[in-house]
Amino acid sequence: AQSVTQLDSHVSVSEGTPVLLRCNYSSSYSPSLFWYVQHPNKGLQLLLKYTSAATLVKGINGFEAEFKKSETSFHLTKPSAHMSDAAEYFCVVTPPQQGGKLIFGQGTELSVKP
Amino acid sequence: ETGVTQTPRHLVMGMTNKKSLKCEQHLGHNAMYWYKQSAKKPLELMFVYNFKEQTENNSVPSRFSPECPNSSHLFLHLHTLQPEDSALYLCASSQGLAEQFFGPGTRLTVL
Repeated sequence: AQSVTQLDSHVSVSEGTPVLLRCNYSSSYSPSLFWYVQHPNKGLQLLLKYTSAATLVKGINGFEAEFKKSETSFHLTKPSAHMSDAAEYFCVVTPPQQGGKLIFGQGTELSVKP
Repeated sequence: ETGVTQTPRHLVMGMTNKKSLKCEQHLGHNAMYWYKQSAKKPLELMFVYNFKEQTENNSVPSRFSPECPNSSHLFLHLHTLQPEDSALYLCASSQGLAEQFFGPGTRLTVL
């Protein structure tokens, strides 16, 4: 069975410092992996996706994630946090050939201090 | 209107009421989804429609009844709900197996 674990429920950083949101997945096959962001009272927005091409994936707003098969990880990073990055972030896995079945992690709430 | 829209944005209903949530996508996609987002729990997929046909019902209670009259519109009909059904209900759409685009959600409170 496919699953995804976000290792931190809450992360707090200062503006201008790096962001690291951790995600580990469990999958018998090569999955597709996504990061979504949800700002308060808003729907989810796709940040980036991995679909077995380059292992380092660049997304919107300066975010990127690296797929590491040996570690079954797909951590999200950003070199310098901005106040507008404060939101809930979801790591998502979808099994091969089951693109409609998104399996969500519990979410990580990112706080950015001035 | 662009993207995925949902109405109403907020809904308060009693346990004996009947109400409907509406979702509309303006992206030309052929698949639509209903998700439930409860506090402290991962998003749960409820229903999937491909080309107006339901292809997934994730063991959802019958008090939730989806309807997809065409590939642009999706409804979720609600009746005799329970307080534990209070949640944010999100609609999404996609073109085939590509990434899903989400609406802003309907915040439902069941009294």
